[in-house]
Amino acid sequence: AQKITQTQPGMFVQEKEAVTLDCTYDTSDQSYGLFWYKQPSSGEMIFLIYQGSYDEQNATEGRYSLNFQKARKSANLVISASQLGDSAMYFCAMREGRNFNKFYFGSGTKLNVKP
Amino acid sequence: ETGVTQSPTHLIKTRGQQVTLRCSSQSGHNTVSWYQQALGQGPQFIFQYYREEENGRGNFPPRFSGLQFPNYSSELNVNALELDDSALYLCASSLKGTGASLQFFGPGTRLTVL
Repeated sequence: AQKITQTQPGMFVQEKEAVTLDCTYDTSDQSYGLFWYKQPSSGEMIFLIYQGSYDEQNATEGRYSLNFQKARKSANLVISASQLGDSAMYFCAMREGRNFNKFYFGSGTKLNVKP
Repeated sequence: ETGVTQSPTHLIKTRGQQVTLRCSSQSGHNTVSWYQQALGQGPQFIFQYYREEENGRGNFPPRFSGLQFPNYSSELNVNALELDDSALYLCASSLKGTGASLQFFGPGTRLTVL
């Protein structure tokens, strides 16, 4: 089974609107971490937001929030007030393992923000 | 910028050759991980090093090997290169600890195998 599943290969959103990028994960560990990264066309991987498995509140970082539904094993990224500079690939990722020594990425979602 | 550097930026090799990629960690970070990102795909975890020892490995064959040095810089070595090894290789440094330890990525090395 895939550890991280992102079912939206591509998404379009109008500038200034909100958009949700989907992510589901698979793990039997009780302790794990979930991450979202942004990868512009230049290739660098930019950290956006983190959610720990024991965190009861959804993580927020500026315009980014993570909708964490533990029972459903989903960790969707919500971007509010989209900007043209948000156009990029977005990857959901999970860290697990006895020493948090395994890291898995999804296949990504290409977000295009339209003016 | 994250403070993680990688060299070289681009590299072209032929099938069967060997390659060494280098990574310099962010100051204060003691853990480095390497990833392979094929075109149009998400990064795949190769392995992680902590205190100069491999302490986690993804589904990659033994011809992918690594080193971590006392200054926490790192090398990824790939022997007997195959065409499918063509990819962007990313290294990421972090401070070993909890699952919340953030990884900071370098800009990557683009490897092309002909």
